[in-house]
Amino acid sequence: EVQLVESGGGLVQPGRSLRLSCAASGFTFDDYAMHWVRQAPGKGLEWVSGISWNSGSIGYADSVKGRFTISRDNAKNSLYLQMNSLRAEDTALYYCAKAFGYFDLWGRGTLVTVSS
Amino acid sequence: EIVMTQSPATLSVSPGERATLSCRASQSVSSNLAWYQQKPGQAPRLLIYGASTRATGIPARFSGSGSGTEFTLTISSLQSEDFAVYYCQQYNNWPPKRLTFGGGTKVEIK
Repeated sequence: EVQLVESGGGLVQPGRSLRLSCAASGFTFDDYAMHWVRQAPGKGLEWVSGISWNSGSIGYADSVKGRFTISRDNAKNSLYLQMNSLRAEDTALYYCAKAFGYFDLWGRGTLVTVSS
Repeated sequence: EIVMTQSPATLSVSPGERATLSCRASQSVSSNLAWYQQKPGQAPRLLIYGASTRATGIPARFSGSGSGTEFTLTISSLQSEDFAVYYCQQYNNWPPKRLTFGGGTKVEIK
């Protein structure tokens, strides 16, 4: 089955760190760029970060640049997001998505709550 | 960063009627524009890419048009399952440029 499954979310205090993972299956993972997209409660979609198939090109939204790091392990069919110095405004459902530029496959998301 | 602006924020439509949603880019994105549908508690679903190409399994009542800075998503005859939030997204020149979404249009039952 073609799917993406996110994990690693949870409740974390401001200033702390969290690492999200996304496990891919059912397609050739290293053929595609992969991205993280988030959605704050009751709000719209926000692109967070993306990484090309070979990790040669990486991009971040201004809101997370310098705090978040995207990476991938093609041997493990996995995508990661290391989130440091977390803020209350980072509270959101984080989706992993497979991309041709547009996102044709999404996971169900993992919820990150930043609160003291 | 390219800013995507969707209008209206909310669209009230009766079942069977036509719905027209707009998306405007702050600079040209060529045809690198996608549309998504999101229902409560679900992940977004790709409807249209390349401004006008329907994704696999998307009914023909959904159509996209436009290029450059002005885009439209049309739902020709709204079905009950079409009431949802719709987002546009530009993907022009990624990498290295950033990707951006519009703020969304909620299509609700009139």
